[in-house]
Amino acid sequence: AQSVTQLDSHVSVSEGTPVLLRCNYSSSYSPSLFWYVQHPNKGLQLLLKYTSAATLVKGINGFEAEFKKSETSFHLTKPSAHMSDAAEYFCVVTIIQGAQKLVFGQGTRLTINP
Amino acid sequence: EAGVTQFPSHSVIEKGQTVTLRCDPISGHDNLYWYRRVMGKEIKFLLHFVKESKQDESGMPNNRFLAERTGGTYSTLKVQPAELEDSGVYFCASSQDKGTQYFGPGTRLLVL
Repeated sequence: AQSVTQLDSHVSVSEGTPVLLRCNYSSSYSPSLFWYVQHPNKGLQLLLKYTSAATLVKGINGFEAEFKKSETSFHLTKPSAHMSDAAEYFCVVTIIQGAQKLVFGQGTRLTINP
Repeated sequence: EAGVTQFPSHSVIEKGQTVTLRCDPISGHDNLYWYRRVMGKEIKFLLHFVKESKQDESGMPNNRFLAERTGGTYSTLKVQPAELEDSGVYFCASSQDKGTQYFGPGTRLLVL
């Protein structure tokens, strides 16, 4: 079975400072991992995905994530936060060759301080 | 190209009533998924259609929920009768083959 744990329910950073949203996963098989973002009153938007190619994955809006198998982690980072990054972020896992249902983490709400 | 659309955006009903949610996937996407987020919990999978067939309905909470996808295009999710614990946001997603799932904006359901 697959599971995801997002280690922080809420992260607050100042504009222009780095962002780190933490995610650990558990999977019996080779996982696919994703980060989705939900802005207020909007749908879920895919930020980036890992599917067993390069372990450092670059996404939209300057975000990136690194797959670390030894640590079972897939943390999301951005060098410099922007006010428009304020949203809720979801770490998601599924298995590459299996059922396509996505398993979501609890979500991390990111607040950007001016 | 239009994205995944969902209707209504919000619904407020009383306990015991019936509500039907609709999802229109991206044109050409055979795979359609329903997910739900109840208050304070994580988003959870409900079911997966491939064209008009239910591929996986392991996440459906009980028999008060009925999903259909007649003709393999849009899908409906009916809750009958609705209970207080059904309140939450219902998301629909679609994908081509086993590709990226694209999500709609969700339907916010409140059962009073």
